[in-house]
Amino acid sequence: QKEVEQNSGPLSVPEGAIASLNCTYSDRGSQSFFWYRQYSGKSPELIMSIYSNGDKEDGRFTAQLNKASQYVSLLIRDSQPSDSATYLCAVNRKAAGNKLTFGGGTRVLVKP
Amino acid sequence: GAGVSQSPRYKVTKRGQDVALRCDPISGHVSLYWYRQALGQGPEFLTYFNYEAQQDKSGLPNDRFSAERPEGSISTLTIQRTEQRDSAMYRCASSLGTDQPQHFGDGTRLSIL
Repeated sequence: QKEVEQNSGPLSVPEGAIASLNCTYSDRGSQSFFWYRQYSGKSPELIMSIYSNGDKEDGRFTAQLNKASQYVSLLIRDSQPSDSATYLCAVNRKAAGNKLTFGGGTRVLVKP
Repeated sequence: GAGVSQSPRYKVTKRGQDVALRCDPISGHVSLYWYRQALGQGPEFLTYFNYEAQQDKSGLPNDRFSAERPEGSISTLTIQRTEQRDSAMYRCASSLGTDQPQHFGDGTRLSIL
């Protein structure tokens, strides 16, 4: 079992719709959770961080964390073609020395 | 302000040569991380520093890989006696402190012929 798992996609959504991305992790000791967006050929760009159970909203993005079920999700509302990218889930476990463990990423395609 | 700066952007070298990859973190960032990213995968942790102290090098693949950050700012990742399997994108990230969001540089694309 991978430490951080994501569906590789592609997740195809029509413009204006909600894109829903999921990420599960195996280590219950994980404490910090991050979503990065990576355009093709570019570096990962931090878009959301979440540390406690519940929802966190930032603009069109909402991150949801459920530590009991060991999943974290990202919702993108009013999806735009510019949201087409790979979204990486990253988990930080202090006991592992604060290194980020990444999932393989979910590729999102927003179609006009 | 300036982001994380990595150099060179591209490095092509022959098998057996040594290479040094440089990372200049965001000013004031205490923590610096090195990752390696294969195509179609997420970054994979190599090592990290707080100030000049190397805190964790558990991700370095073997003893040909080493890293330093002597003055607590710029870091160098060195690969000795390179092999074709070392070809990858090497990414550096920095953060204000441990458990803080990490910000990535543009990476160095290393190709070993």
